[in-house]
Amino acid sequence: AQKVTQAQTEISVVEKEDVTLDCVYETRDTTYYLFWYKQPPSGELVFLIRRNSFDEQNEISGRYSWNFQKSTSSFNFTITASQVVDSAVYFCALSEARSGNTGKLIFGQGTTLQVKP
Amino acid sequence: DGGITQSPKYLFRKEGQNVTLSCEQNLNHDAMYWYRQDPGQGLRLIYYSQIVNDFQKGDIAEGYSVSREKKESFPLTVTSAQKNPTAFYLCASSKEGLSYNEQFFGPGTRLTVL
Repeated sequence: AQKVTQAQTEISVVEKEDVTLDCVYETRDTTYYLFWYKQPPSGELVFLIRRNSFDEQNEISGRYSWNFQKSTSSFNFTITASQVVDSAVYFCALSEARSGNTGKLIFGQGTTLQVKP
Repeated sequence: DGGITQSPKYLFRKEGQNVTLSCEQNLNHDAMYWYRQDPGQGLRLIYYSQIVNDFQKGDIAEGYSVSREKKESFPLTVTSAQKNPTAFYLCASSKEGLSYNEQFFGPGTRLTVL
């Protein structure tokens, strides 16, 4: 069965600290896609990144970086030198190609990140 | 500007009443989705539609209904059969409704049952 687990419910850091948000997934599909979304206090989810199951290259975008490891079924997200504007709820999500290719997203429970000044 | 609009932002309903949440997109996307978010939980899929005049149940469809008569519109009706409707409802769309398409989200509607 497909599942996404974000074990960290809440994380609090002080500005400029680095922080890593964990994401572990379960799937029997060999072709799948992993996503990270940010939900600021306004409520609208913002797409951050997509990674397919065949591409294990890490990715860096500014202060954001993502580490995808199929061996441990993890897709972790690191924010370097955190800022107050990074405060939000972050969701990891999985989409499987096998299940009719409907684009259905399976979300983790989310991690609330609070960055204090 | 292209995007997804949801209305109203806040909605209050008395028990036993049906209520319809609006979702409109001008991104020319084929697929649209409705999710429900409860405090401290992830998003759960209610219904989705990959093409006009067709839609499928998601994981928690009981007590909800949808229609997809136009490509840009995907309204959600919360019926009186939904036992615990108080939640934050998010609408999303994607270009083709395929597994690799990212979804774009609207600002959400917060429904409270009084």
